[in-house]
This record gives sequence, structure tokens and C-alpha cells, in this order.
Amino acid sequence: GNSVTQMEGPVTLSEEAFLTINCTYTATGYPSLFWYVQYPGEGLQLLLKATKADDKGSNKGFEATYRKETTSFHLEKGSVQVSDSAVYFCALSDGNTGNQFYFGTGTSLTVIP
Amino acid sequence: DTAVSQTPKYLVTQMGNDKSIKCEQNLGHDTMYWYKQDSKKFLKIMFSYNNKELIINETVPNRFSPKSPDKAHLNLHINSLELGDSAVYFCASSRASLNGELFFGEGSRLTVL
Repeated sequence: GNSVTQMEGPVTLSEEAFLTINCTYTATGYPSLFWYVQYPGEGLQLLLKATKADDKGSNKGFEATYRKETTSFHLEKGSVQVSDSAVYFCALSDGNTGNQFYFGTGTSLTVIP
Repeated sequence: DTAVSQTPKYLVTQMGNDKSIKCEQNLGHDTMYWYKQDSKKFLKIMFSYNNKELIINETVPNRFSPKSPDKAHLNLHINSLELGDSAVYFCASSRASLNGELFFGEGSRLTVL
């Protein structure tokens, strides 16, 4: 079946530190992979996505590369800011199951000045 | 214009009451969803509708009944509310394609006393 496993939080970093949030997946087909971000009191919004192996998604300084050989889609940012404090969700969408999305458990990030 | 809008944003009610949450999307998407997010931020799919037809109906109590009058609307009605129903409920929509992303509403925080 399909599933997503992501690093448990919470994660606390100082401003300008390097961020990695690990995400691995299991899928029966050829999924698209996503990172969503949820700021306090808001809904989830797409941060970045990758639709095939070796694609790199990037947005707002965040990056993630679709690695089929390791079934991973780790999120990275070189220098985090206080405004990056949020909950981050890794997700996949498998074309074999139509529009069904599978989410990880979320990783809470707090960036301190 | 808000892409996915849901009302009300906050709902406080007593156990045993019946309540509804409404959702509308103006993106022209074919598929709409309801998700439940618990206090630990874990996101669980409840229902999915494609062109007004039920596609996904995860194991939720039958006190929860979704209704889709047209493909732009998906409402959630909950009967006989219980304490455990307290959560944030998110509506979302997507285009019916392999790489379509999910667009979320801002959430409806339900508190059952």
C-alpha cells in the first residue's frame, strides 16, 4: 500500500541554521510527492512538489529532491528564519488510486532568534 | 477571492447536538475532500467526492454525513456530537489529474463541550 513516514518533531533551530526534515515513502505506482506547510491558525498550503524521479522541487529557499532509489523526499533549507516556524507535512499522490493523497504525521518546526 | 472557503471558522457546541460545516471552492476542481486534524496535528482523510459522487469513505462513524449538491460544494453534517469529535476539520479540493495538488480551506475548529 501507500504510506509516508516523516521525521518526528518537534524541531527547534536557531535562526540561520540548516534544516533537514526527512521523509520516506512507500507506493505501489509512480507517485507525485509534495511538501505542505501549515502556519499557526491556518490551513495547509503547498510548499513544493516533484512529479517524477530526480525532479527537484523548490520554493522560498526550501528544496526537496525525488529520490526513487531511496524512496525519499527530504526537505532542506540552508538558512531558516523565524517566519519558517510552522508544521511541515510530506505527502504523496498515487495515480493508481486516483486523487487520493497520503500524508505524513507532520513535523513541527520552531525557529528561535 | 478565497479559493476554498469553509464556514464557520469556529464552532462551539454541546454534546448530542447536530452541526454542519459548509465548504465551497471556486477553482473549478472535480474532487473535494474532508480531512480531520487532531490536537497532535495528525491529518486523516474522511471523505472524498468526485463530481458529486462519493469516492473515499474512510472508517468514520455514520454520524458524519457528507453532502455534495454540486461539484463546487461539499458540506459535512455531524449528528449527535461527541467529545472526541473536537478537532479542526479541513475542506480541500483538487483537479482530477495525476499531478494535481490539494488546495485547503482555512479550517473549521469544532469544540464539543
